[in-house]
Amino acid sequence: QSALTQPASVSGSPGQSITISCTGTSSDIGGYNYVSWYQQHPGKAPKLMIYDVSKRPSGVSNRFSGSKSGNTASLTISGLQAEDEADYYCSSYTSSTLVFGGGTKLTVL
Amino acid sequence: QVQLQESGPGLVKPSETLSLTCTVSGGSISSYYWSWIRQPPGKGLEWIGYIYYSGSTNYNPSLESRVTISVDTSKNQFSLNLSSVTAADTAVYYCARGGSRYYIQHWGQGTLVTVSS
Repeated sequence: QSALTQPASVSGSPGQSITISCTGTSSDIGGYNYVSWYQQHPGKAPKLMIYDVSKRPSGVSNRFSGSKSGNTASLTISGLQAEDEADYYCSSYTSSTLVFGGGTKLTVL
Repeated sequence: QVQLQESGPGLVKPSETLSLTCTVSGGSISSYYWSWIRQPPGKGLEWIGYIYYSGSTNYNPSLESRVTISVDTSKNQFSLNLSSVTAADTAVYYCARGGSRYYIQHWGQGTLVTVSS
């Protein structure tokens, strides 16, 4: 069970859109429509932002969207805001377990 | 709204067993999947395993030989035991509830456990 691959960092200016990628294999991301995304601010617990590839929990801004193509999932944040600056983690279901990505630090310039 | 609270020793000696309990409030433990996740200082998240309220479990293959997760529905609690710990097991440990078996919906605040003599 290997961790999913995410870029270490991404950045964008307020109002812009950014996309964070999450690459796995046919055994995890490519094999199931069960990708989720989490936002984590420093010193805080993670927060669910996207589940089942593209579904948003109640209360999460529609500026956050998720998608998947093959073995790669993506999180897009549109209309970047200062409070979006955080670490983001992807996760996938695989063979009765869960696996996380290494995390991506989003900097809002 | 469901709330989760981790409790247990903040310091564990090498080779000993790390034991944590998660108390669930604002909802019954008698449904859903209940997980443990950890995060070493400055590093990413690692899923440890989960238990269904009925008692069935699944563990991270890399930790499976040392991990036991159990549930006590009468106390609305579930627990983590990690044996033969080393410094590499130093981390913030989170308990969490799955929205399904496929994702984590609610997280506890986390508790730092340091492995040191």
